[in-house]
Amino acid sequence: GDSVTQMEGPVTLSEEAFLTINCTYTATGYPSLFWYVQYPGEGLQLLLKATKADDKGSNKGFEATYRKETTSFHLEKGSVQVSDSAVYFCALSPTGYALNFGKGTSLLVTP
Amino acid sequence: GAGVSQSPSNKVTEKGKDVELRCDPISGHTALYWYRQSLGQGLEFLIYFQGNSAPDKSGLPSDRFSAERTGGSVSTLTIQRTQQEDSAVYLCASSITGTGYEQYFGPGTRLTVT
Repeated sequence: GDSVTQMEGPVTLSEEAFLTINCTYTATGYPSLFWYVQYPGEGLQLLLKATKADDKGSNKGFEATYRKETTSFHLEKGSVQVSDSAVYFCALSPTGYALNFGKGTSLLVTP
Repeated sequence: GAGVSQSPSNKVTEKGKDVELRCDPISGHTALYWYRQSLGQGLEFLIYFQGNSAPDKSGLPSDRFSAERTGGSVSTLTIQRTQQEDSAVYLCASSITGTGYEQYFGPGTRLTVT
């Protein structure tokens, strides 16, 4: 079935470092792709999404581009902050409603 | 406005007992989802309700799991004869409608089966 694979964590970065979290997908069609974030003690929330090839989702300085040729949706941020420390989940929606999530990548940003 | 709420926040139960988990979606949201988050399996889709349509139960792991949604609002997830492998955080989400809209997640119910 349709699935995503994301890089294992934890990822530890210093404040202001560049962030990349890799995500690749396997799908029979062209599902929408998502990044969700779970901050410590909080619920899952949508960070950004892209609905078709070459779309770029962006929010809070994070970006991800839907790459059909490499079946990827890597998450990037140019300068991370301590407040970005969280668990990040890549997901796709083969049905248009149910989400298939990756295992999650824990990010710790140190001052 | 109020977000998705779930109760209880924590539930400890003995193996073999039945449990009920409750979800109150955001008012006006017609779509409701249940997911399970466990260390071994990560985040898994369980079931989806959209309006008065038949639910998509394709993610339910066994026939011990069932869910209902009354009056198009509150939902209850029931696990019968709980097993230790049922220990997980059960997440509920809702969206304005089912396809292509942002899902808003509740804080989850942490279930521990002893």
